[in-house]
Amino acid sequence: EDKVVQSPLSLVVHEGDTVTLNCSYEVTNFRSLLWYKQEKKAPTFLFMLTSSGIEKKSGRLSSILDKKELFSILNITATQTGDSAVYLCAVGLIQGAQKLVFGQGTRLTINP
Amino acid sequence: GAVVSQHPSRVICKSGTSVKIECRSLDFQATTMFWYRQFPKKSLMLMATSNEGSKATYEQGVEKDKFLINHASLTLSTLTVTSAHPEDSSFYICSSKPGPASGRPDTQYFGPGTRLTVL
Repeated sequence: EDKVVQSPLSLVVHEGDTVTLNCSYEVTNFRSLLWYKQEKKAPTFLFMLTSSGIEKKSGRLSSILDKKELFSILNITATQTGDSAVYLCAVGLIQGAQKLVFGQGTRLTINP
Repeated sequence: GAVVSQHPSRVICKSGTSVKIECRSLDFQATTMFWYRQFPKKSLMLMATSNEGSKATYEQGVEKDKFLINHASLTLSTLTVTSAHPEDSSFYICSSKPGPASGRPDTQYFGPGTRLTVL
């Protein structure tokens, strides 16, 4: 069974801290790994990773994939209260319509 | 980013009625759209893959006769919850996936979700 596991499930830090969110996976037919941010409503796209070792950056957020060890990390530096959200990791599969398998999410809370 | 809309955003209905939720891909044509269900503080669970012009593909354990999916055009998919019961109350989210020519075929863009409450 395809599985995506995120850790920690919940994290509370102070504004300005740096956080690292983890995502490991066990799937057949891996194609890509995606990170989403979910606040009150639907997830918004952050990154898509397909190659090992290539860091993707967007402002204070960055992410990298290790296809040998089957995991990815999402880093957020100089956190702000607006970063508070659930961060979802999903793996895209090479099959059919290339559906996504989601992890449980990490609930990140940034306190002022 | 891409825009996907859902309507309605919130619906409250009586047990036994049917509810239709629309999902529109506004920025690109989508041959494939997905329907998810999300329980409070849980992750997204894929219900079905909606294919334009053909039958939807349902995940194991999802009743196709209860959750009717129609993908009549390249920009619209609908999910109808038939004979809704309180246990169907949930947050339903659709997503839309650009085609291979877009250069981003794996990226799904999500709608804002529909919160269904069945009394």
